[in-house]
Amino acid sequence: DTGVSQDPRHKITKRGQNVTFRCDPISEHNRLYWYRQTLGQGPEFLTYFQNEAQLEKSRLLSDRFSAERPKGSFSTLEIQRTEQGDSAMYLCASSSWTSGRGGNEQFFGPGTRLTVL
Amino acid sequence: AQKITQTQPGMFVQEKEAVTLDCTYDTSDPSYGLFWYKQPSSGEMIFLIYQGSYDQQNATEGRYSLNFQKARKSANLVISASQLGDSAMYFCAMREGQGAQKLVFGQGTRLTINP
Repeated sequence: DTGVSQDPRHKITKRGQNVTFRCDPISEHNRLYWYRQTLGQGPEFLTYFQNEAQLEKSRLLSDRFSAERPKGSFSTLEIQRTEQGDSAMYLCASSSWTSGRGGNEQFFGPGTRLTVL
Repeated sequence: AQKITQTQPGMFVQEKEAVTLDCTYDTSDPSYGLFWYKQPSSGEMIFLIYQGSYDQQNATEGRYSLNFQKARKSANLVISASQLGDSAMYFCAMREGQGAQKLVFGQGTRLTINP
């Protein structure tokens, strides 16, 4: 029984470079979420997929950010032309109607910590 | 206006004592859900408890209970018989609206359990 996995766990990049993160949800979960957490703050919602459809995007998700879930399984989050303000923990979560607490529980992965120099 | 307010940046409690972490929320939607998550130093968010706006009884999960006061818009987390392993950040979150999926989190409370 595997949980949500994210790769890489840590990423250090220089300002202006592009980075891509991957999230593998729990296998039977059809919903997938991305959140961003900066130091000392709670997570902030970025975007949400149901199967392969991206159903909601936050205003935080600027033009430099793009997320995909091409086959309704794993998802990628790409940040183009990174800025120092993008430094944060990027959390992925998944859920389904039949998952914990009547489908209300979102299961989180360990996160990818991004540092932009 | 803040959707979720956690007014306690940090709390220190003796082991085995009960602790209450405060959370107030702001919504005009009659359908919403309230959540508490724990985040240890390892960083992973761990689900603790859920309360639906239409639930008649306060939610309980083992040592965790949620003191849901709808009229006051508060959803405080109560941890009974605290343990050293309870030391972590605790986040209150809300999902607002029927069919909504995104969670809105508060700023968190850092709980430290002293031996």
